[in-house]
Amino acid sequence: QPVLTQPPSSSASPGESARLTCTLPSDINVGSYNIYWYQQKPGSPPRYLLYYYSDSDKGQGSGVPSRFSGSKDASANTGILLISGLQSEDEADYYCMIWPSNASKVFGGGTKLTVL
Amino acid sequence: EVQLVESGGGLVKPGGSLRLSCAASGFTFSSYSMNWVRQAPGKGLEWVSSISSSSSYIYYADSVKGRFTISRDNAKNSLYLQMNSLRAEDTAVYYCARDEGVVVTLDYWGQGTLVTVSS
Repeated sequence: QPVLTQPPSSSASPGESARLTCTLPSDINVGSYNIYWYQQKPGSPPRYLLYYYSDSDKGQGSGVPSRFSGSKDASANTGILLISGLQSEDEADYYCMIWPSNASKVFGGGTKLTVL
Repeated sequence: EVQLVESGGGLVKPGGSLRLSCAASGFTFSSYSMNWVRQAPGKGLEWVSSISSSSSYIYYADSVKGRFTISRDNAKNSLYLQMNSLRAEDTAVYYCARDEGVVVTLDYWGQGTLVTVSS
């Protein structure tokens, strides 16, 4: 079972951008997988944000603002969630996930984003 | 509007059993694969099990294999999780979630139901 590594916490100010990372183990190539991102606010279920494979293969969840976008850093074997124009309502936990096979879905440990 | 409503959670002793249900509405339930995902108190998300639209394909996390059974009744628009031999580490909020298709997964989630395993 692969382990996806996310920083436990991150912070940024309103109006700035937040860059959340999800690092895959070295034996799994980030270029081979869709990276999924979910947002969870306290007391609520997770919300699907988007998936990113490449600039030509990506998808936004229903009603998710375009301020949320995905990318990859192949050199770091990392998936990235970029949130631009941060708003106080973006304060939440963010989870990445990969779907390596039909037999499993693997989540990262989550990043708590604080909007200062 | 897609709605998923879980029920059946509660307090159970170690070694006991519980059956969770998830009632679906607002979409053609029989056309979608479904999942159970859990979240222990204060912890992250853990995928538990998936079932294809016709129940032909069923998958489990290693942590629950042999103890949990996922099933569905497309006539009743319902998803189930039978949990046996429960352990303290199974304590969590259990969510049902839909797979939109072969690319998008876990696109809609229910509110969850809390399962507490304690003596």
